[in-house]
Amino acid sequence: EVQLVETGGGLIQPGGSLRLSCAASGFTVSTYYMTWVRQAPGRGLEWVSLIYSGGDTYYADSVRGRFTISRDNSKNTLYLQMHSLRAEDTAVYYCARGGDYFQRHACTVWGQGTTVTVSS
Amino acid sequence: QSALTQPASVSGSPGQSITISCTGTSSDVGAYNYVSWYQQHPGKAPKLLIYDVSNRPSGVSNRFSGSKSGNTASLTISGLQAEDEAYYYCSSYTTTSPLDYVFGTGTKVTVL
Repeated sequence: EVQLVETGGGLIQPGGSLRLSCAASGFTVSTYYMTWVRQAPGRGLEWVSLIYSGGDTYYADSVRGRFTISRDNSKNTLYLQMHSLRAEDTAVYYCARGGDYFQRHACTVWGQGTTVTVSS
Repeated sequence: QSALTQPASVSGSPGQSITISCTGTSSDVGAYNYVSWYQQHPGKAPKLLIYDVSNRPSGVSNRFSGSKSGNTASLTISGLQAEDEAYYYCSSYTTTSPLDYVFGTGTKVTVL
């Protein structure tokens, strides 16, 4: 079964760091584009970061320089390292996978989400 | 990168059809046939409903259909059912975002 399971969320003070993990099963993370999408309380979806199968990485302006997306092929896991966290980073963070070739511009598989709360 | 524009809310009675619009620009919706639609129930992860403007993944009801005209994409829900009450988001490939993709602002669908 194709599945994504996020972990690593929690309560963190402003300025702190956190690493989110997204464990994949049923497919290989390095063969698809993988992305992190977040949703602040009561707000819409926001693309945060994306890594293509070739390794190119992209970031939203709001997180560039503070967040780093990566993957560990041996663990088949996607990561989001977050530094200098701010209150506005508070959100549910979803890990998602791009589709197969004919669905490659859509996210066909989503994790259940992990909640990050930045507060003192 | 500005989000694509969707109406904040749309409502309809059971059995009716409703349409949600998603307005972008000539750099995203108008330029590419890479518009997707997602359904999200409260507290749940988004679910893909439509990809590449009008294609349904396997398992998605044919009551959901997508189209595009110019810079505006649309999602139509036919035969509205109670379980369709949810939030709906469009997304498009874009040349103006550092991330290649942009979401819409989201639409709350209420079944009366």
